[in-house]
Amino acid sequence: GQNIDQPTEMTATEGAIVQINCTYQTSGFNGLFWYQQHAGEAPTFLSYNVLDGLEEKGRFSSFLSRSKGYSYLLLKELQMKDSASYLCAVRDRNTDKLIFGTGTRLQVFP
Amino acid sequence: ETGVTQTPRHLVMGMTNKKSLKCEQHLGHNAMYWYKQSAKKPLELMFVYSLEERVENNSVPSRFSPECPNSSHLFLHLHTLQPEDSALYLCASSEGSGEYNEQFFGPGTRLTVL
Repeated sequence: GQNIDQPTEMTATEGAIVQINCTYQTSGFNGLFWYQQHAGEAPTFLSYNVLDGLEEKGRFSSFLSRSKGYSYLLLKELQMKDSASYLCAVRDRNTDKLIFGTGTRLQVFP
Repeated sequence: ETGVTQTPRHLVMGMTNKKSLKCEQHLGHNAMYWYKQSAKKPLELMFVYSLEERVENNSVPSRFSPECPNSSHLFLHLHTLQPEDSALYLCASSEGSGEYNEQFFGPGTRLTVL
């Protein structure tokens, strides 16, 4: 079967670092995506991992361990505008479909 | 601006109404998608079109009927919906429907069924 787990909500302080975890089980793995979605807006692409390791893009980094079925999104130097939902999605190799988690709602406080 | 637009942004309809959601992408992509996003639930894939051919129908009830007249436009026709169909309906597009193809999402249509 397929399952994506991520925390429902997280809070953090402006300027801090936060790590959002995602664990997955899938019959065939072909990449993991992170999307950001502000309330009432479209999800926007943040990162893609298909090989183990860390991908860094400015203040955001994403890590993947395929053997553990685990990824995290690391947000540094948090800003108020980072308050949003963060969606983890895994591409199933057998169907090419994106399987989404429920999303983690992050609130950044001053 | 993601290059994917959706209209209307908000829609309220009764269970006996017929309405259509429209999606347009200006990115030159070949694949388009309809997703349903309900509160506290993951994004659910409904339909996939690749080169205007439907390649995926994720066991969606027949009261939802997609139409893809060309690679830039995608419609979702709605008929005799139920209150539980109230959700955010998101359209997305990508260069292709497989491998690494980042999906670009539209802003969504917030649908309320009374």
